[in-house]
Amino acid sequence: QQQVKQSPQSLIVQKGGISIINCAYENTAFDYFPWYQQFPGKGPALLIAIRPDVSEKKEGRFTISFNKSAKQFSLHIMDSQPGDSATYFCAASRDGTASKLTFGTGTRLQVTL
Amino acid sequence: DSGVTQTPKHLITATGQRVTLRCSPRSGDLSVYWYQQSLDQGLQFLIHYYNGEERAKGNILERFSAQQFPDLHSELNLSSLELGDSALYFCASSTSWGIGEKLFFGSGTQLSVL
Repeated sequence: QQQVKQSPQSLIVQKGGISIINCAYENTAFDYFPWYQQFPGKGPALLIAIRPDVSEKKEGRFTISFNKSAKQFSLHIMDSQPGDSATYFCAASRDGTASKLTFGTGTRLQVTL
Repeated sequence: DSGVTQTPKHLITATGQRVTLRCSPRSGDLSVYWYQQSLDQGLQFLIHYYNGEERAKGNILERFSAQQFPDLHSELNLSSLELGDSALYFCASSTSWGIGEKLFFGSGTQLSVL
């Protein structure tokens, strides 16, 4: 049973555009929702994370929007740059910790010039 | 560079064999996590150690085992290898274990079972 569904599988955005990646979860016990960025040949790196007590969190060009009632959260990358081209994973876990993170299937983002 | 070191980077072996993957966490990090990344299953949590003790288990097969040593490095042992075990194995570490915990991933060990 896939507990975190991520879409789209791949995304092509022009430089300067907005990239939007969506995730939906099933387990209402999840209370920690991080996003990870992975470049080829590297391990995932934490990008930004949110707890369900807020509906939005912004760090630079990256924003997480969280909808608790719909059990959905999304990553918005404003002013997308070629250097943002990577695979992005959403994840979720219980107890606000990184233990036993359940990852989405990933979105391969390509930002073109 | 995350500060987490994994060796070897690549490993090619045959079915039925046994291999050991090694992970050195960031200096001072007490938690070590192992994840498996494959094309069909994505990133799957395997096991978590904190200061030498096993804290949580995920989808880890009985043929797989892990341990964390007193110097905090960790090893993941994979035995009776099957073709389906071919994957990228990541180790991650964190300073603590709790709310807001931040994981730092190594670059992974690419295991190919032929």
